[in-house]
Amino acid sequence: GAVVSQHPSRVICKSGTSVKIECRSLDFQATTMFWYRQFPKQSLMLMATSNEGSKATYEQGVEKDKFLINHASLTLSTLTVTSAHPEDSSFYICSASRGRDTEAFFGQGTRLTVV
Amino acid sequence: GQQVMQIPQYQHVQEGEDFTTYCNSSTTLSNIQWYKQRPGGHPVFLIQLVKSGEVKKQKRLTFQFGEAKKNSSLHITATQTTDVGTYFCAGTGRGSTLGRLYFGRGTQLTVWP
Repeated sequence: GAVVSQHPSRVICKSGTSVKIECRSLDFQATTMFWYRQFPKQSLMLMATSNEGSKATYEQGVEKDKFLINHASLTLSTLTVTSAHPEDSSFYICSASRGRDTEAFFGQGTRLTVV
Repeated sequence: GQQVMQIPQYQHVQEGEDFTTYCNSSTTLSNIQWYKQRPGGHPVFLIQLVKSGEVKKQKRLTFQFGEAKKNSSLHITATQTTDVGTYFCAGTGRGSTLGRLYFGRGTQLTVWP
């Protein structure tokens, strides 16, 4: 079964609204989780590193006020896309690992469409 | 910063033909991982290579890690239509954040029956 669960899998929202995406590690504690964005037929672009109990670390060019990350517990990280616009439409995926230099488990991904 | 290059970006083969994708890192890696993403799906872990010169096999898939731990390859023998998808390599650097992976851009494999 899934080790990392992401919800929702699909969401359509109106321009200007906010959308929250949840990422849960189901059978292990994850002090660190990662959020990626993937455009059609392209690679995974790391957006930010979510750190439990502290601020997220954002990659260069990613607006922290636009993409709010909260990692309030060892099993849950959330990504909120604020004031969404059509250009924010994309596939968002989270991942977590059990330990250093071990495989990454990915959530199922969230297909966001902003209309 | 750390970069992982992957080629080719696309590969179209006839069923039964072989397929290879290559990754090259700008710096020495601690390990390299390979993932497969089916159309519409999420990346799924295939394998991890840690040792210099390591070779691992999974049925028709052969993974290699270079002696300098800066390059890697995935070779599929006698492709099948079930092999369709995008194959990503991902490396971890020494001292990098727990779980932080540097992904190649992926190779999208199409297999014609």
